[in-house]
Amino acid sequence: GQNIDQPTEMTATEGAIVQINCTYQTSGFNGLFWYQQHAGEAPTFLSYNVLDGLEEKGRFSSFLSRSKGYSYLLLKELQMKDSASYLCAVKEGGSQGNLIFGKGTKLSVKP
Amino acid sequence: DAGVIQSPRHEVTEMGQEVTLRCKPISGHDYLFWYRQTMMRGLELLIYFNNNVPIDDSGMPEDRFSAKMPNASFSTLKIQPSEPRDSAVYFCASSLRVQGDTGELFFGEGSRLTVL
Repeated sequence: GQNIDQPTEMTATEGAIVQINCTYQTSGFNGLFWYQQHAGEAPTFLSYNVLDGLEEKGRFSSFLSRSKGYSYLLLKELQMKDSASYLCAVKEGGSQGNLIFGKGTKLSVKP
Repeated sequence: DAGVIQSPRHEVTEMGQEVTLRCKPISGHDYLFWYRQTMMRGLELLIYFNNNVPIDDSGMPEDRFSAKMPNASFSTLKIQPSEPRDSAVYFCASSLRVQGDTGELFFGEGSRLTVL
């Protein structure tokens, strides 16, 4: 079956670092995405990993270990505007694979 | 460039009524996806199209749901008859899949459906 797990909620302090974990079990794998979704808005693309290792993009980094079925999103120098839900999504195998989403992690950044 | 455009943004209807949601994908994108989002189940894929052809509709809940894509710039998701459990935010997304591309999805703003 297909299963993507991530914590439901997290809280962190402005200026701090937070790591949001995601584990997955899917029938195929062709990449992992992280999306950010503010309340009442559409999800927006943050990062993509297809090979093992760390991808860094400004304050955000994403890590992937395919052998462990594990990824994390690292947010540094947290800002209040980072309060949002973060969705982990796995791209299924094959040229026409679609994205299977986790339920998302709601991050609250406190002053 | 205009993003994915969905209408209506909000719809309140009564049980048993027909609901039609509309989507205009980003010009040139060859994949179109319909997702449904609820607190309990998160984002669920309902159906997706490639070059206007339905590829996988296994996520469509039941025969009350149908989706069409008559041309590259328009798709509809229809619920008939609607039920209170259909209340959710329905997202349309599009992407351009070329070899080596990530196939990132671009989402519309969503249609919030409330069935009373």
